[in-house]
Amino acid sequence: AQSVTQLGSHVSVSEGALVLLRCNYSSSVPPYLFWYVQYPNQGLQLLLKYTTGATLVKGINGFEAEFKKSETSFHLTKPSAHMSDAAEYFCAVTGSGGYNKLIFGAGTRLAVHP
Amino acid sequence: EAGVAQSPRYKIIEKRQSVAFWCNPISGHATLYWYQQILGQGPKLLIQFQNNGVVDDSQLPKDRFSAERLKGVDSTLKIQPAKLEDSAVYLCASSLDYTSYEQYFGPGTRLTVT
Repeated sequence: AQSVTQLGSHVSVSEGALVLLRCNYSSSVPPYLFWYVQYPNQGLQLLLKYTTGATLVKGINGFEAEFKKSETSFHLTKPSAHMSDAAEYFCAVTGSGGYNKLIFGAGTRLAVHP
Repeated sequence: EAGVAQSPRYKIIEKRQSVAFWCNPISGHATLYWYQQILGQGPKLLIQFQNNGVVDDSQLPKDRFSAERLKGVDSTLKIQPAKLEDSAVYLCASSLDYTSYEQYFGPGTRLTVT
């Protein structure tokens, strides 16, 4: 069965610092991987996704993630944090069964301080 | 284009009462999802519709939860009777069809059961 582990439920960075949010997955089939962002009292918004092809994917708001099959990882990075990046971030993998069910990690809350 | 609409945004009920949530997906989206997001956890899929048919309800507590999408457009999720552990945010999402990997989320309904 597919699963997602996000290391660190809370991450705090200074404005302008590197953002690194960690995601490891397990999957019995080639995975499709996603990062979603959730701002307070809002639904989830897709940041980026990996399906096939280039393993470094770029998303919105300057975020990118790299699919590393050998490490079963899909870490999210941003070179320079902005105050507006403070939110909760969820990594997800497609489940089995052919209907693109998403399996989410528990989330990482990112705080950005001046 | 209009996003996924959900109502109500907030609901407080006592245990053993019933409650219903409504979702209107993005126009033209054939696939509709209901997720439960408990505080501190990632969203968990409850039920997935393709048009007006159910394709996955493996994690829906069928003794108390029900959902329908009668005309293949909007959907209703019902809980009867509610338990304390049902306190969560209920998210609705839609996608073009089940082959599409991009899901669009509504703002959610926050349910508190007292």
